Amino acid sequence: AQSVSQHNHHVILSEAASLELGCNYSYGGTVNLFWYVQYPGQHLQLLLKYFSGDPLVKGIKGFEAEFIKSKFSFNLRKPSVQWSDTAEYFCAVNSAGGSYIPTFGRGTSLIVHP
Amino acid sequence: NAGVMQNPRHLVRRRGQEARLRCSPMKGHSHVYWYRQLPEEGLKFMVYLQKENIIDESGMPKERFSAEFPKEGPSILRIQQVVRGDSAAYFCASSRQGRAFTEAFFGQGTRLTVV
Repeated sequence: AQSVSQHNHHVILSEAASLELGCNYSYGGTVNLFWYVQYPGQHLQLLLKYFSGDPLVKGIKGFEAEFIKSKFSFNLRKPSVQWSDTAEYFCAVNSAGGSYIPTFGRGTSLIVHP
Repeated sequence: NAGVMQNPRHLVRRRGQEARLRCSPMKGHSHVYWYRQLPEEGLKFMVYLQKENIIDESGMPKERFSAEFPKEGPSILRIQQVVRGDSAAYFCASSRQGRAFTEAFFGQGTRLTVV
């Protein structure tokens, strides 16, 4: 069975600080990887995804994530956060060609102070 | 994409009562997924439905929980005889196609509180 670990449960940053949220998964086969964001009071939205190809994936709002297969990781980064990035961030994985239903991590709550 | 509508947004039930959570998918979407988020835990998959069919219910508790997605109307997640441990946020997502989760869109969730 696949599983996802998000190590940072709560992150507090000041505006303009750099962000990196960790995500590790456990699954022996080929995977698809996702980051979702949930802004306060809103629904989950897809931030970015990795299926294949370039392991550095760029998403919306200046976010990017890098797939490192040898480390089973898919960390989310942003060079300079804004107050509007305050949200809950979820990493998810599904097995390519297998169970297409993603497994989600616990989530990371990000608070950005102006 | 505010098209996936969940209601109610907040639901309070006493222990032993029934809870009914509704999910209206986006127009043109015939696949619905239900997830549960317990406090301090991630989103846990519960069930995947197509119109009039349950495709995958591997995440559903064996007792008290059921789900349906009729030909007409919203998908319903039903929890009978609720207990305090059922308190959680319940999210649904819908997609136009099956096996294409990245095209799925989430609702805002229903927060169930059992008192």
